[in-house]
Amino acid sequence: AQSVTQLDSQVPVFEEAPVELRCNYSSSVSVYLFWYVQYPNQGLQLLLKYLSGSTLVKGINGFEAEFNKSQTSFHLRKPSVHISDTAEYFCAVSGSYSGAGSYQLTFGKGTKLSVIP
Amino acid sequence: GAVVSQHPSRVICKSGTSVKIECRSLDFQATTMFWYRQFPKQSLMLMATSNEGSKATYEQGVEKDKFLINHASLTLSTLTVTSAHPEDSSFYICSASTPSSYNEQFFGPGTRLTVL
Repeated sequence: AQSVTQLDSQVPVFEEAPVELRCNYSSSVSVYLFWYVQYPNQGLQLLLKYLSGSTLVKGINGFEAEFNKSQTSFHLRKPSVHISDTAEYFCAVSGSYSGAGSYQLTFGKGTKLSVIP
Repeated sequence: GAVVSQHPSRVICKSGTSVKIECRSLDFQATTMFWYRQFPKQSLMLMATSNEGSKATYEQGVEKDKFLINHASLTLSTLTVTSAHPEDSSFYICSASTPSSYNEQFFGPGTRLTVL
């Protein structure tokens, strides 16, 4: 079974400061890892994903994440945040096979990033 | 590419009525669609998984007779909340994937259901 732990439920940070949102996972199989962002009353938008290869993954909006297999982590970082980055961020790991070539995703509980002007 | 739409975006209904939510993949064929429920300030809870042309697989604790899912084509899945009650009020989100999407799911914008 897969699980995802997002260690911080809320992260306040001043505008233009760096931020790290933490994510740890457990899985008994090879993993694909994802970070999604959700703005209020909207669906989820993919920020970045790790499938294989380089452990440093770059995504949209200046975000990046590093896959660390030994620490089972996939922390999300941004060197300088903007007000527009205020949103909920979800880490997810691929899970059980759903059939037809697709897999379920297991989500963390989310981290609310609040950027302070 | 990989756009998923949901309709309606917001619906208010009276207790006891049924509500249908549509999820469409606009520019790709979705072999699998997922339905999630999200309570305020919480994560997504997977309700069911549906593969085109097959019966949906429901997660433990989700009433299949209350939440009817149909995935009759590669671009459309519907979720019908039957005899809705106030406790069914929630944000419902669908997602879609294909074998070539490498486990990535493409999410719809969500539907806010309020049952009075």
